[in-house]
Amino acid sequence: QSALTQPASVSGSPGQSITISCIGTSSDVGGHNYVSWYQQHPGKAPKLLIYDVSNRPSGVSNRFSGSKSGDTASLTISGLQAEDEADYYCCSYTTSSTLYVFGSGTKVTVL
Amino acid sequence: EVQLLESGGGLVQPGESLRLSCAASGFPFSSYAMSWVRQAPGKGLEWVSAIGGSGAYTYYADSVRGLFTISRDNSKNTLFLQMNSLRVEDTAVYYCAKGKEVGGTSRYFDPWGRGTLVTVSS
Repeated sequence: QSALTQPASVSGSPGQSITISCIGTSSDVGGHNYVSWYQQHPGKAPKLLIYDVSNRPSGVSNRFSGSKSGDTASLTISGLQAEDEADYYCCSYTTSSTLYVFGSGTKVTVL
Repeated sequence: EVQLLESGGGLVQPGESLRLSCAASGFPFSSYAMSWVRQAPGKGLEWVSAIGGSGAYTYYADSVRGLFTISRDNSKNTLFLQMNSLRVEDTAVYYCAKGKEVGGTSRYFDPWGRGTLVTVSS
């Protein structure tokens, strides 16, 4: 099972919106609504941002939103802030030989 | 407050074994699946293994199947990962994470522990 495909890096200026894509297959992203997104700051554990494609846990800023179209999931960060500079990972449930697969990760830089 | 605390990491030589533990608190442990996720130095996240709430069902990534064994002791609210025949490429920070609620439909990992570092080197 190969990792889901994410862009290596995305950047934006404060206040702007950016979108991170997560490309999978019909066995994972395209086959289920079990896509989640995680934010990881350097040296820290990952933090859940979005689950089941577009649901936001309590306590997560509404600047983070998720969506899916076909085999591609997306995370949008609106009103970009300096604190959003981190690594972001998508994850999907999969019906392949493994159970879950993570994306390759995207480093977000706030210019 | 939900807390997960991993332990058991360290430096081992290739071919040796190691057992990781994850002490859980703040939630009904047996009502949730649990997972191990690892992150090699400077690399991305890799799901390693999961176990159902009762411990009856276990799942593994292809990269560790047959080498690692996940288990849990619900009486002690503790998750384990027995790692045998360790390879250099198993070097990583290993995180435990709370997963799917038994009978629930959502699938995600929340929260995560702080992780424990496993280094495999001669």
